[in-house]
Amino acid sequence: SQQGEEDPQALSIQEGENATMNCSYKTSINNLQWYRQNSGRGLVHLILIRSNEREKHSGRLRVTLDTSKKSSSLLITASRAADTASYFCATDAAGEGIGPGANSKLTFGKGITLSVRP
Amino acid sequence: DTGVSQDPRHKITKRGQNVTFRCDPISEHNRLYWYRQTLGQGPEFLTYFQNEAQLEKSRLLSDRFSAERPKGSFSTLEIQRTEQGDSAMYLCASRLVGSSYNEQFFGPGTRLTVL
Repeated sequence: SQQGEEDPQALSIQEGENATMNCSYKTSINNLQWYRQNSGRGLVHLILIRSNEREKHSGRLRVTLDTSKKSSSLLITASRAADTASYFCATDAAGEGIGPGANSKLTFGKGITLSVRP
Repeated sequence: DTGVSQDPRHKITKRGQNVTFRCDPISEHNRLYWYRQTLGQGPEFLTYFQNEAQLEKSRLLSDRFSAERPKGSFSTLEIQRTEQGDSAMYLCASRLVGSSYNEQFFGPGTRLTVL
């Protein structure tokens, strides 16, 4: 079953604008990750934020996590046409162990389709 | 290219036929996962291996599905008596247990179409 719910389902912006995508989830987590998928291709890992972190940056990416609201947001600044893709949040649920013994299976949302117009 | 490869990339088959997919993970990765993704949805977990041991199977994995990782390296996913509902992208991912991250490296997927 899908754990995360991304919002909006689709987003269309102009190149150079910022894109903000939101994700809500249901259960307690060890960490939350964002992935990108270009049409018909595999997933590319973007960024991981642990449950005890509130904000993380990687290049043009900024992710926040609010465990009290069970929500996360991904901000892409200064978007480019090459950012056009589907974006998924994925959670690694707590309670299934941590460390090497945990299964660490990921539960994905349905994804957000981002279109960046040149 | 993440270093995880899958073969074939596309498979078209008729209902009732058997199909087998292969995944080659990153060589030092001891954890291997299979996911299934249908159109407009996110990937859904199917099963995972720690070395050659299959440690968990999702309820999505009916008895027509079987996965192996015989030497703890590559893995195969076989679907017997395929049904139209099996049409999906099958994704493989690998991870190195003991690393501080739970980053999973995904292959390009095998797209299955059952006619």
